[in-house]
Formats: sequence, structure tokens, C-alpha cells
Amino acid sequence: GEQVEQRPPHLSVREGDSAVITCTYTDPNSYYFFWYKQEPGASLQLLMKVFSSTEINEGQGFTVLLNKKDKRLSLNLTAAHPGDSAAYFCAVSAGFASALTFGSGTKVIPCLP
Amino acid sequence: DMKVTQMPRYLIKRMGENVLLECGQDMSHETMYWYRQDPGLGLQLIYISYDVDSNSEGDIPKGYRVSRKKREHFSLILDSAKTNQTSVYFCASSLSPAANTEVFFGKGTRLTVV
Repeated sequence: GEQVEQRPPHLSVREGDSAVITCTYTDPNSYYFFWYKQEPGASLQLLMKVFSSTEINEGQGFTVLLNKKDKRLSLNLTAAHPGDSAAYFCAVSAGFASALTFGSGTKVIPCLP
Repeated sequence: DMKVTQMPRYLIKRMGENVLLECGQDMSHETMYWYRQDPGLGLQLIYISYDVDSNSEGDIPKGYRVSRKKREHFSLILDSAKTNQTSVYFCASSLSPAANTEVFFGKGTRLTVV
């Protein structure tokens, strides 16, 4: 079955700096890709979903890049701020009736510049 | 207000006891899920339910069973809990099983088996 590897497990980033979280997956039939944010003690909130190959999606304070050729999904936090302190999870699905397979998570800790 | 509600939020049980985790959603979603979250492992799928009495095993079903008698409720049952079932359990729901539909998560139940 699908396997998703997420790196790094922990990330300290200075306020104002950027940081990248990367997921690689194994199933070439994977078609739907998601990033979730989980603040301490809270549930998972959908950050962004990506469906197209080599797509860059921009959100508020982050960008997402999907490279289907390399089977790689990345989340780039731009200009980190205290509100970014959370665990981030990528999730991948192969298609209809296929539940999400999650990466192991990255704990992001913004620190003072 | 769309939400997935889990009860209880915290639970401590002795090894060998039965455990019932409840989940409800108010969105009339067809599909519901139970995941467990362990440090360094992300979320692992235990069971998925496509509708009332239509349940399928996920990746780690051993030691668990589920019940869905109403569309809005999905229960996770541990018969004779084990210490390695100490974890945070998340219930989730989505409008359909289609992988491009948004999945909504509850706040989790932290279960400790001693």
C-alpha cells in the first residue's frame, strides 16, 4: 500500500524566515494531496488541497508544490510567525473510496529572530 | 455549525476493560473514519464506514471493532483494552468517500490504558 515519508520531524525557524516541509510518496496512482495543520491540543484543520501535477498553490503565508514525476509534495512556510507554531501533516489519497494516508508529521516551532 | 464531536475527550482504563469511544457529526456525511495518532507515526486508519452498517477495515483494525447504526454516529470499541492501545483517537467524516472531498476531524480522545 501507499507509504508516505515526511521530513523533517521537527523544525525550528526564526521569525520572518522561510521553512520547507517535504513529503515523498510511493504509489504512482496517488491523485489527491492535502496539508493539515494541528495546533497543540486541537484537531486537524485542512490547510490546502492540491490535485494537479507540478502545481504551486499559494495560501496565506505558505506555498505548496506538487511534483508528481518525483512523487514529492512540499509545504513552504514563508515569513514564519508565532501563529505557525503547530504540527503539519501531509496526506495522500489514490482515488475514490481511498482513505487518506498521512505522513508522520512535522512540529514547527518559530523562535525569536 | 459543521462539526465532529467526540466523547469522552480523556479516558483512563485498566488493561482488559472494554472501551467505547463515541463520535457524532451534524453534517449528514456518508463516510466516517476512526484514526489513531501516535508520536512519530502520524495518523493511522483503523476503520472506515461508508454508511450505516457498511464498515471496512483500515490499515490497523486488529483489536478494534466499530458500530454505525445511525448515519450521524460512529463508535469505536476496544474489547479487552491493551496497554499498546494507549493513543489519541480521532474520528472524522466526509460527505462522500471520494478522495477529493474535505475530511473534517473531531478534537480527539486521549485514551490511556494502564
